[in-house]
Amino acid sequence: GEDVEQSLFLSVREGDSSVINCTYTDSSSTYLYWYKQEPGAGLQLLTYIFSNMDMKQDQRLTVLLNKKDKHLSLRIADTQTGDSAIYFCADLTMFSGGYNKLIFGAGTRLAVHP
Amino acid sequence: KAGVTQTPRYLIKTRGQQVTLSCSPISGHRSVSWYQQTPGQGLQFLFEYFSETQRNKGNFPGRFSGRQFSNSRSEMNVSTLELGDSALYLCASSPQGRDTEAFFGQGTRLTVV
Repeated sequence: GEDVEQSLFLSVREGDSSVINCTYTDSSSTYLYWYKQEPGAGLQLLTYIFSNMDMKQDQRLTVLLNKKDKHLSLRIADTQTGDSAIYFCADLTMFSGGYNKLIFGAGTRLAVHP
Repeated sequence: KAGVTQTPRYLIKTRGQQVTLSCSPISGHRSVSWYQQTPGQGLQFLFEYFSETQRNKGNFPGRFSGRQFSNSRSEMNVSTLELGDSALYLCASSPQGRDTEAFFGQGTRLTVV
């Protein structure tokens, strides 16, 4: 079945850029997502990218997609302590009939230190 | 516009009991999906409802069930609770379920003792 993999932990210094990587196996993927989860909270949709795009930029966030290698990355510029959270990569998978479910990676815990 | 509301936020139940969790989607959204989040298994899809019908179901035992009402509010029920059912249960709403954006609630943290 479809699978999404991420590294589990990333530590960066405040003000540096963070890059969180993700690989997926679904060859028919249409949309890929990045969600953020803070302690005790639900999932916040950060951004998503359509599979025919290579890059999407949204303020401090840049998403890069390499469809050939099935590799997705999220770059956070000027990382702040408020960015400390778990980041989930997710793949939108189609059931037969055209309905969707999200397949999530295990999440990358981003720690930002002064 | 109000977001996705899940109630209660926290629950403690005993093994063997049953539990019902509630999710109110964003106004106008007709699709509600449920996910279970555990440290060991991560985020796993439970089921999705649209217009009061279950369209999709993940690989969970029959003890996990749900329903959706005419106002799109959804409930999920877990019967004969096991310790392994302890998890954060997240609900997501989207307009049609085929959409690009699913918005999540804060979740209900269930602890089974």
